[in-house]
Amino acid sequence: GAGVSQSPSNKVTEKGKDVELRCDPISGHTALYWYRQSLGQGLEFLIYFQGNSAPDKSGLPSDRFSAERTGGSVSTLTIQRTQQEDSAVYLCASSPIGPQKLFFGSGTQLSVL
Amino acid sequence: KQEVTQIPAALSVPEGENLVLNCSFTDSAIYNLQWFRQDPGKGLTSLLLIQSSQREQTSGRLNASLDKSSGRSTLYIAASQPGDSATYLCAVSTATGNQFYFGTGTSLTVIP
Repeated sequence: GAGVSQSPSNKVTEKGKDVELRCDPISGHTALYWYRQSLGQGLEFLIYFQGNSAPDKSGLPSDRFSAERTGGSVSTLTIQRTQQEDSAVYLCASSPIGPQKLFFGSGTQLSVL
Repeated sequence: KQEVTQIPAALSVPEGENLVLNCSFTDSAIYNLQWFRQDPGKGLTSLLLIQSSQREQTSGRLNASLDKSSGRSTLYIAASQPGDSATYLCAVSTATGNQFYFGTGTSLTVIP
């Protein structure tokens, strides 16, 4: 595609429900990052995928968060048993390889009621 | 852990003025530094990327400098326009390249 695509753009869920957020990176980009942006806060690193290497999961805030990347392309971020503090904008970014110019999607606004 | 600070948090200037945004970081062992622009409700757009071995990068009216030893970068915007109004963020990547550390941004308003 022309850019990084994220879906859904908005998600409202009830506390305790599971949610899945999708990221479709730019074709051919081997590096994929997930970040979280809370109101008035900076971007918080969640997870990094590089090619077929084991992902860097050091930023995941709890074991309720998990992510996978299938076939080196599409990535899904799953949050189980959502809590109100999970409400934020979840941003995905890709780059051709490693820490080079990042291309961001428009994000998913998650609201947990 | 790398800490990135941006000053000022907000800035309002009249159209046509030249301005400087500041970014500082605590660990000089970086791979590169990137400046982004974020418009309300949107994702981030990369403006300039400076590798650790470089001193500056230019794109149009934008010029970014990097002084790795002192842990500082500046983004210079010449002849500001209302369309430049946005939040500007800087980010540094770790030497291992696994993640970028972001500042909290400078919210810029250019008044017509």
